Amino acid sequence: GENVEQHPSTLSVQEGDSAVIKCTYSDSASNYFPWYKQELGKRPQLIIDIRSNVGEKKDQRIAVTLNKTAKHFSLHITETQPEDSAVYFCAASGGSNYKLTFGKGTLLTVNP
Amino acid sequence: EAGVVQSPRYKIIEKKQPVAFWCNPISGHNTLYWYLQNLGQGPELLIRYENEEAVDDSQLPKDRFSAERLKGVDSTLKIQPAELGDSAVYLCASSLDHGDEQFFGPGTRLTVL
Repeated sequence: GENVEQHPSTLSVQEGDSAVIKCTYSDSASNYFPWYKQELGKRPQLIIDIRSNVGEKKDQRIAVTLNKTAKHFSLHITETQPEDSAVYFCAASGGSNYKLTFGKGTLLTVNP
Repeated sequence: EAGVVQSPRYKIIEKKQPVAFWCNPISGHNTLYWYLQNLGQGPELLIRYENEEAVDDSQLPKDRFSAERLKGVDSTLKIQPAELGDSAVYLCASSLDHGDEQFFGPGTRLTVL
C-alpha cells in the first residue's frame, strides 16, 4: 500500500519568514495530493491540493509543488503569520482504491 | 451550508463497554469515510462508503468494530467491546464522490478507562 513520509515533524519560524514542509510517497499510481491544516482540537481543513497533471499550484501565500518522477511534493507558506501555527498534514491517494494516506504531520509554530 | 456533523463530541467509557459514534455528511455527498486519529498522528482510514456500500473496510478491526450506512446518508460506527487502545479521535469525512475533496467533521474524542 501507499506510504507517505513527512518532514520535518516540527518547524519553528519567525513571523514573516517562509516555511517549507516536504513529503514523499511510495505508490507511483497516486495522483491526488492534498494538504490539511489542523488546529488543536479542531477538524482537519483542506488548504490546498494538487493533482498529478500539474507541477505547481499557488493560492495567495500558499503553494504546493509536485515532482512525480521523484515522488515528492512540498508545501510552501510565505510571509508566515502567527495564525498559521497549526499541524499540517500531507496526504496522497490514487490508483484503484482512492484511499487517502496521510503523513504523520508537521507542527508549525510561527513566533511573533 | 452545514458541514459534516458528528456526535457525541466526547465520550468516556470503561473498557469492555460498547460505544457508538454518529455522522451526518454534507448533503449530496455520496462518499463517507471513517478515520481514526491517534495523538500526534495523521488520520488513518477505517472504512469508506460509496452510498450505502462499504467499498473499503480492509483497515476496520472487524472483531470489535462495525459500521453501517443504511440509507446512504448518515452513518454509525460501533465498537464492542472497547479496549484501552481504542482511545483516540474518530473522524468522519465526506466527499461528493471518491477522489474529490474530503470534508472532515469535528470528530469524537473517545477515552477508554
